[in-house]
Amino acid sequence: ETGVTQSPTHLIKTRGQQVTLRCSSQSGHNTVSWYQQALGQGPQFIFQYYREEENGRGNFPPRFSGLQFPNYSSELNVNALELDDSALYLCASSSESSYNEQFFGPGTRLTVL
Amino acid sequence: RKEVEQDPGPFNVPEGATVAFNCTYSNSASQSFFWYRQDCRKEPKLLMSVYSSGNEDGRFTAQLNRASQYISLLIRDSKLSDSATYLCAVRPNAGKSTFGDGTTLTVKP
Repeated sequence: ETGVTQSPTHLIKTRGQQVTLRCSSQSGHNTVSWYQQALGQGPQFIFQYYREEENGRGNFPPRFSGLQFPNYSSELNVNALELDDSALYLCASSSESSYNEQFFGPGTRLTVL
Repeated sequence: RKEVEQDPGPFNVPEGATVAFNCTYSNSASQSFFWYRQDCRKEPKLLMSVYSSGNEDGRFTAQLNRASQYISLLIRDSKLSDSATYLCAVRPNAGKSTFGDGTTLTVKP
C-alpha cells in the first residue's frame, strides 16, 4: 500500500450541492496533487499543493478549490455540483526527494444525481 | 490532439506472450515519464519510472525515445494477473502529470 488515504470512499450528492473530499499524504511527502478520472479516461490534473500553497492548476473552474494543512493533508472542495462532476477523485502524494514519483490514494467515487 | 496518446486496445494475448505498448507525448519539455497499472475501479499504481537509458524490472521493460517523443512498455511472459489498464504519465516539471487514457490488456489462459 502507498500510505495515502482518502475519505470518504463513496459519496452521492445532488446537483447544486457542495462536497469536501479529504486526503492524507504518505509520511514524508509534502506535495499533494488532485486528479479527476471520468470513466474510460485517464486522470485529469486539477491542482497541486506544495507546503500549503497552490502550485499549479489544470483546466478546472474556480468552483474547484483546495487546501493543504501543516501536516500536508489536503482537501478538495467542489461547489455547485454538476452532473459531469461524477467521477473518481484521486489524490497523489510525492516528495521533493523522489524522482517526481507520485503515489495515489484509493480515491473517492463521487456520483452527482 | 491530446498531449499524451495511447492506443486504447484492447490487447488480448495468451499467457506467455510478449506484448508492447507505446505512448506518444507532445510536450518536448517533458522531464519525467512513468507507467502506471490500474485495475478496474481501483487507483493507478506506479509500475515503473522511465529513464533515458531505459530500465527493466523483471518481466517489464520501459524505454524512452526523446527524439520521437514516445515511451514504451514491454511485458514478457504475460501472466493472467497482468490483465489491467496501463496508463502512461508525462511530467514537464514537478507539477502536474498528464496521463493518457490507458491501454487495456487482457491475458487469456
